[in-house]
Amino acid sequence: DAGITQSPRHKVTETGTPVTLRCHQTENHRYMYWYRQDPGHGLRLIHYSYGVKDTDKGEVSDGYSVSRSKTEDFLLTLESATSSQTSVYFCAISPRDTHDEQFFGPGTRLTVL
Amino acid sequence: TQLLEQSPQFLSIQEGENLTVYCNSSSVFSSLQWYRQEPGEGPVLLVTVVTGGEVKKLKRLTFQFGDARKDSSLHITAAQPGDTGLYLCAVKVSGTYKYIFGTGTRLKVLA
Repeated sequence: DAGITQSPRHKVTETGTPVTLRCHQTENHRYMYWYRQDPGHGLRLIHYSYGVKDTDKGEVSDGYSVSRSKTEDFLLTLESATSSQTSVYFCAISPRDTHDEQFFGPGTRLTVL
Repeated sequence: TQLLEQSPQFLSIQEGENLTVYCNSSSVFSSLQWYRQEPGEGPVLLVTVVTGGEVKKLKRLTFQFGDARKDSSLHITAAQPGDTGLYLCAVKVSGTYKYIFGTGTRLKVLA
């Protein structure tokens, strides 16, 4: 158990509304990731962080921003949600002392109406 | 752009049958991971393969990394309904902290 929680687990919102998803870890891992999972596309990287205040873009970062003000929390924000952002969002951590494995949170199902 | 292609996309078999799923790329990787994901949950790591030609066994699951470290296979012997799920392969992009995932093989084992 990598001690990863995500909140909320489910959310329904309307187009144009800001949304923030939270990922919390208990083991002080340096590397944290946000993915979205959609049918036919698998898991796609949105943003990742390699330390407090150190973040970078993944392959599908448009429309998303992230923040990491402390090691344990990695926030994903949709500034103005669109229907194309309806998806399941997963947070993951990577303990760098292993062979590049990742450990995932339980996911957040977001529906944008 | 590095791509991981998984095949087949879908597989429905009877309990007790054997199966193999594949993860292929044109790039060389230092390691490759296999995950299983069940509905409503996040992916769970099954194994990491590191050395070209490496074979790892996890009960009825056998994982192999290709000699050239560009591809991998997962073989399940005597599949059981509990093996049902989405199987994903993943690699870390060389020189970065980023990962890419294959699109997955969705396996259904019928009792």
